[in-house]
Order: sequence, then C-alpha cells, then structure tokens
Amino acid sequence: QQQVKQSPQSLIVQKGGISIINCAYENTAFDYFPWYQQFPGKGPALLIAIRPDVSEKKEGRFTISFNKSAKQFSLHIMDSQPGDSATYFCAAYNMDSNYQLIWGAGTKLIIKP
Amino acid sequence: DGGITQSPKYLFRKEGQNVTLSCEQNLNHDAMYWYRQDPGQGLRLIYYSQIVNDFQKGDIAEGYSVSREKKESFPLTVTSAQKNPTAFYLCASSRDRGYQPQHFGDGTRLSIL
Repeated sequence: QQQVKQSPQSLIVQKGGISIINCAYENTAFDYFPWYQQFPGKGPALLIAIRPDVSEKKEGRFTISFNKSAKQFSLHIMDSQPGDSATYFCAAYNMDSNYQLIWGAGTKLIIKP
Repeated sequence: DGGITQSPKYLFRKEGQNVTLSCEQNLNHDAMYWYRQDPGQGLRLIYYSQIVNDFQKGDIAEGYSVSREKKESFPLTVTSAQKNPTAFYLCASSRDRGYQPQHFGDGTRLSIL
C-alpha cells in the first residue's frame, strides 16, 4: 500500500510524438500528486502537480490526467523534444504519514531526433 | 540565486569510515530532507527535519545520522554501520511540511574504495 507503481521503466519516442507515463496507487491516504523531472547528475525538479478533485491539468506541452476511481494518473508530453529526454518520477503525498512524499521508480525517457 | 548546495559532488569511503555529506540552503525553508537514489528505484527517504533541532527517521535511517543545528544546514553522516552506502544522495528542502514542492540540490555520489 505504501508505494506508487510507475510504468514503463524506459521509453523511446520520436521527436514530435506523444510520450505517456503511467502511475498507479492503492492507498487512499495519498492525496496530492506531483511529477518531477531529473536530468543526469542533477536533482529532480517539480514539473507539474495535480489534486485528486481535478481530472486533468495542463501546463504547456505537459498534461496530467487523473482517474480517482481507478487510482491511476498519467503524464502526457505532447510534441516531445530532444530536450525532454530525462528521467520522470511520479509521486504522491501521504497525508497519514505527515505528508511524506512517496516516489515511483522513475521512467527514463529518450526522444529521438 | 536561492537554492540548495550539496558538497562534495563525489565522495569515496573506505571500509569502517564515517563520512559526512553537506547540504546548505538559502531559501529560508523550514523543512529539509535527505533521500537515497539507487538505479531503477525511486527516491527513498532517509531523514527529514521540520524545524531546527528536530529531525525524524525516514524509511531507511539505519546506518545514517543527521543534525539540524541551523536552519540553513542539514548534514548527513553515513556511518560504518551502513553496509551498502554506494548511492546517489539528494538533499531537498520545502517551505514547510505538507503539500509544498521540494527543491533539490544536485546530489553527492558516494562510492566505496
């Protein structure tokens, strides 16, 4: 219950295509869901986040879709660019454990020119 | 520019040796965190601190120790009791606990000699 399952582990997308990363959870105490982007040798940086009462949030080319009943959420990157090549982590705040951030295992995304 | 500074970038530990990783922030954040990142895994919480002179164990605290004597500083000591210390260590801070975004340093990579 204390985990966020992320897939795929790695993803290769052609430039201009759509990248899709999926996450799922079981614990109903998880109630706020950020996505972080990490470049090699750097720390993660917040990309976008969503509350569970919202089904979709869009910021530029990045969109989070959220399905509360299925306990699933996903990140879509439209018009993917080589500069988007990075590792992406989904995460969830657990309000039952003092808002500890629970992390998915990460998806290494490569955008081919 | 406000941010988090971790040092050193690379660190080597000999058997039986304690080593200390530095983390300094000038964001005036109350909360600070230490995470461990291993290949193919999400970030795992080692310790966190919500306020000066207070800190709490995370999921994998065994073999590690911390202190929080100043708001800006949250050093992590990897003791000889940590038998598998080779990993990428990330320090983060947030304005406070709760749904605040976490800001990360660029990490310290620790290896065994």
